[in-house]
Amino acid sequence: IVLTQSPATLSLSPGERATLSCRASQSVDKYLAWYQQKPGQAPRLLIYDASNRATGIPARFSGSGSGTDFTLTISSLEPEDFAVYYCQPRNNWPPITFGQGTRLDI
Amino acid sequence: QVQLVQSGGGVVQPGRSLRLSCAASGFTFSSYAMHWVRQAPGKGLEWVGVISYDGSSKYYGDFVRGRFTVSRDNSKNTLDLQMNSLRAEDTAVYFCAKALGGGILDQFDYWGQGTLVTVSS
Repeated sequence: IVLTQSPATLSLSPGERATLSCRASQSVDKYLAWYQQKPGQAPRLLIYDASNRATGIPARFSGSGSGTDFTLTISSLEPEDFAVYYCQPRNNWPPITFGQGTRLDI
Repeated sequence: QVQLVQSGGGVVQPGRSLRLSCAASGFTFSSYAMHWVRQAPGKGLEWVGVISYDGSSKYYGDFVRGRFTVSRDNSKNTLDLQMNSLRAEDTAVYFCAKALGGGILDQFDYWGQGTLVTVSS
């Protein structure tokens, strides 16, 4: 499964709304995760199964979509939200793939 | 709380071997598949491989081509990645990660801190 994330880079200001997209080359039903990664850190699970927030994730993060088109929305950006975001489906068969990432810049 | 603490890594010459380890705590290790994911400098995430909860099934990324082996010891709550015939293009930060729901093709809810492997002469 090939994942295409857009845009590659998104430049916004704190307080603005961010909308990140992930498109899969074939249907993954609802089984898509979003991760946030900051420099020098491991990725952190934000959203699983397209719309479920992981433990401890603030409510400003939300996910939607099914099939091949998915969206991660950050309703009002905080300074700590500027990072790289990756999507990843729960495949039916290996290999597991990741999107190429969207860099969210201030 | 769930913790994945990695060890190993370092600088190794091309063609040599290296073993990475991941010590798990805070959850029933023997009930979850475990993964390795890597990230080359300045690049995105690349899946390396997975081992099922009981060690009976293993799958790898295409680039592995028989060079890497994932193993686990459920009595010690540890996960290993044995890397042989290392190449310069294997230079990356390697992460261990826990499968969210336990299955081998799942999403990852916890990650180790990462360990840098540098393959260079």
